[in-house]
Amino acid sequence: SQQGEEDPQALSIQEGENATMNCSYKTSINNLQWYRQNSGRGLVHLILIRSNEREKHSGRLRVTLDTSKKSSSLLITASRAADTASYFCATDRTVEYSGGGADGLTFGKGTHLIIQP
Amino acid sequence: DTGVSQDPRHKITKRGQNVTFRCDPISEHNRLYWYRQTLGQGPEFLTYFQNEAQLEKSRLLSDRFSAERPKGSFSTLEIQRTEQGDSAMYLCASSLGLREWADTQYFGPGTRLTVL
Repeated sequence: SQQGEEDPQALSIQEGENATMNCSYKTSINNLQWYRQNSGRGLVHLILIRSNEREKHSGRLRVTLDTSKKSSSLLITASRAADTASYFCATDRTVEYSGGGADGLTFGKGTHLIIQP
Repeated sequence: DTGVSQDPRHKITKRGQNVTFRCDPISEHNRLYWYRQTLGQGPEFLTYFQNEAQLEKSRLLSDRFSAERPKGSFSTLEIQRTEQGDSAMYLCASSLGLREWADTQYFGPGTRLTVL
């Protein structure tokens, strides 16, 4: 089942503009991650933000996390044509297994971003 | 660092046949995950290994699906008696897994399965 819901489902902007995507989730999380997927290809990890962090930067990316609202946002500044892709948020929870405490990621349906040259 | 690799990249099979996919994780990674992605959806978690131990398999889609990681390195995902609804992209991911909490997962290019 999908936990995250990205908003909007699709976004088209001009090159050079900023793009903002939002993600909401339902249950308590350990971390939230953002991934990019170009058409028909595997996922590329962009950034991980832990539940005790509120904001994180990486190059042209800025991610915020509000655990009280169960939401996150991804901002891409100065967009480029190469940023055209689908963007997914993914959450995980710590599960107690003997020998390990991790679990699979739960993804949303993604935001399809198109950068117009 | 060669990244996560998957083989084959594409598989076309007839309904009722068995298929097996292989995943080679990044060499020093202890954790390995399998996901399925259908068109227009995000990946859906299937199963997870910590070294050779399969710690989560309740989310495998049916008893036709099974996975192994016999020596804690590469993994295989098998689908028996394939159905048209099994057509999807099957993704593998790996992570370091040195600590008890979750860490960054790195994905392979996927195997696209088409069941005729």
